[in-house]
Amino acid sequence: NAGVTQTPKFRVLKTGQSMTLLCAQDMNHEYMYWYRQDPGMGLRLIHYSVGEGTTAKGEVPDGYNVSRLKKQNFLLGLESAAPSQTSVYFCASSKTYGYTFGSGTRLTVV
Amino acid sequence: DQQVKQNSPSLSVQEGRISILNCDYTNSMFDYFLWYKKYPAEGPTFLISISSIKDKNEDGRFTVFLNKSAKHLSLHIVPSQPGDSAVYFCAASAIYSGGGADGLTFGKGTHLIIQP
Repeated sequence: NAGVTQTPKFRVLKTGQSMTLLCAQDMNHEYMYWYRQDPGMGLRLIHYSVGEGTTAKGEVPDGYNVSRLKKQNFLLGLESAAPSQTSVYFCASSKTYGYTFGSGTRLTVV
Repeated sequence: DQQVKQNSPSLSVQEGRISILNCDYTNSMFDYFLWYKKYPAEGPTFLISISSIKDKNEDGRFTVFLNKSAKHLSLHIVPSQPGDSAVYFCAASAIYSGGGADGLTFGKGTHLIIQP
């Protein structure tokens, strides 16, 4: 009963490096999301997907790309990391309103 | 432009008393509202929700009240317990979003501290 699994849990990047965050869900949910949480800012939507092969921009998409090649996986990519992307990233999946979140990835860009 | 506002960053309540967390919204298209609870180093977990066709929804110790005319909702926890200490996020979804498919809009959260 894994739910939503995020890898890695922690990562430190140097400015300009790239990386991919992986989100996997085993609940056969159509919808998947990437949020970032910053102190005093709450949760802000980066990108989302309403089904396999589809993606859309959220509130703060700049500097990120996503792919949903398989229904169960949603990847978040940073092509050239910047210190402003230091944050905790949460993936979520849902059938409707009740989102199931992963435990987060803490990313630090130095 | 913040569409969902939680104006109290933190709230301290004595164990056994009522905790009241408040949330205001500005988008009149929002028709579904949720509360999520978050412990440190964990993802948010769904707590309770309410549709705009209702003004109250209850689940055990948790009750959410919705005042559409004031664009205000509140979460009541009675009685408050130590395990309720967490950050609570208010979230909303708009009519056109098809069941939250295009993402929920979250407030900044309120850190609830239950004191013994």
